[in-house]
Amino acid sequence: DAGVTQSPTHLIKTRGQHVTLRCSPISGHKSVSWYQQVLGQGPQFIFQYYEKEERGRGNFPDRFSARQFPNYSSELNVNALLLGDSALYLCASSFSRKYSGNTIYFGEGSWLTVV
Amino acid sequence: AQKITQTQPGMFVQEKEAVTLDCTYDTSDQSYGLFWYKQPSSGEMIFLIYQGSYDEQNATEGRYSLNFQKARKSANLVISASQLGDSAMYFCAMQGNKLVFGAGTILRVKS
Repeated sequence: DAGVTQSPTHLIKTRGQHVTLRCSPISGHKSVSWYQQVLGQGPQFIFQYYEKEERGRGNFPDRFSARQFPNYSSELNVNALLLGDSALYLCASSFSRKYSGNTIYFGEGSWLTVV
Repeated sequence: AQKITQTQPGMFVQEKEAVTLDCTYDTSDQSYGLFWYKQPSSGEMIFLIYQGSYDEQNATEGRYSLNFQKARKSANLVISASQLGDSAMYFCAMQGNKLVFGAGTILRVKS
């Protein structure tokens, strides 16, 4: 079975540009969460989507937005990129909205560099 | 608000020895879960072990065990018989509607 897939794996953008990151959850999983991991730090929660609705939002500016499609895949959009947006963006997939045990699966992430 | 503290930025351990990675947490919830993840340089988050707050036994998964001390709000990860492939970043995380991660500990296994 396919795991959580993210694309692109690596990308370089210029300040002020826009970026779209994509995530396909494990088949049957209805929840997708996004995390930002700046170099040398732990991941920080950005969004959770469950059944195509936003269920949680972290402390990120409105430049960050996301959506979930009918097939439960998700996009994370970041507008007006800043140098500080350079990070590894992780997608996490789970069946339910609440986590417990080994029920959360992470993708390999998208490495974003803003120059 | 939930908070995870990992006070060891980096640790060294000799191959085949045991090592303990520290994690303390803060929460006002009565029911919660604690996770440990391994992150190699590739970036993928690899699940290692989970402990529920109401679990009476400390969790174990192969060479990994979690030393859960609820009264002290600590959830230390013990890796027995360290291997060179254990060299990575290790994160402690707490469950809610989201995962709250600590800053991580870099573990280096020496041969």
